[in-house]
Amino acid sequence: AQSVTQLDSQVPVFEEAPVELRCNYSSSVSVYLFWYVQYPNQGLQLLLKYLSGSTLVESINGFEAEFNKSQTSFHLRKPSVHISDTAEYFCAVSDRGSEKLVFGKGTKLTVNP
Amino acid sequence: SAVISQKPSRDICQRGTSLTIQCQVDSQVTMMFWYRQQPGQSLTLIATANQGSEATYESGFVIDKFPISRPNLTFSTLTVSNMSPEDSSIYLCSVEDIPPSIGYTFGSGTRLTVV
Repeated sequence: AQSVTQLDSQVPVFEEAPVELRCNYSSSVSVYLFWYVQYPNQGLQLLLKYLSGSTLVESINGFEAEFNKSQTSFHLRKPSVHISDTAEYFCAVSDRGSEKLVFGKGTKLTVNP
Repeated sequence: SAVISQKPSRDICQRGTSLTIQCQVDSQVTMMFWYRQQPGQSLTLIATANQGSEATYESGFVIDKFPISRPNLTFSTLTVSNMSPEDSSIYLCSVEDIPPSIGYTFGSGTRLTVV
């Protein structure tokens, strides 16, 4: 069965510092991988996704994630965070050919001034 | 991506009552999904709803507690029945993106508090 592990439940950082949010998954088949962001009191928004091709995917607001098949990881990074990046970030996986998304427990990123 | 309108955005309900959550999509979609996000937890899939057939429930969720309707390709409802404080959660609906796009879009959620 699929599972997603987000190793850090909370990550506090200072503004303009780099950040990495870790995500590992388990699946016996090829997968699609997603990062969603949930700002306070809002729904989920897609941040970026890996479907195929280049293992490095980028979002429009400076985040990137790299698919590493050998390590079954899809870590999210940003070289310099802003206070507005404060939110909860969820990693999710879907087996190819399946319509079901399985989510990790989320990482709460807090950016301090 | 589809645009999803979910109502109500929040509600406070008495235990023992029921609440029906509505999810309207601006395009026709085959499958709609209902998730629960308990306080401080991740999202858990409740059920998958196809138009014209009964919803498929995940382990731990039953139709009597979470009846779902799917009358057409743009609309679905989830009812939380005979509520208890343990049902206090955020409930979200979701749809698959329209091909050739691959992914899922979520509604803004319904924040339910049972007192």
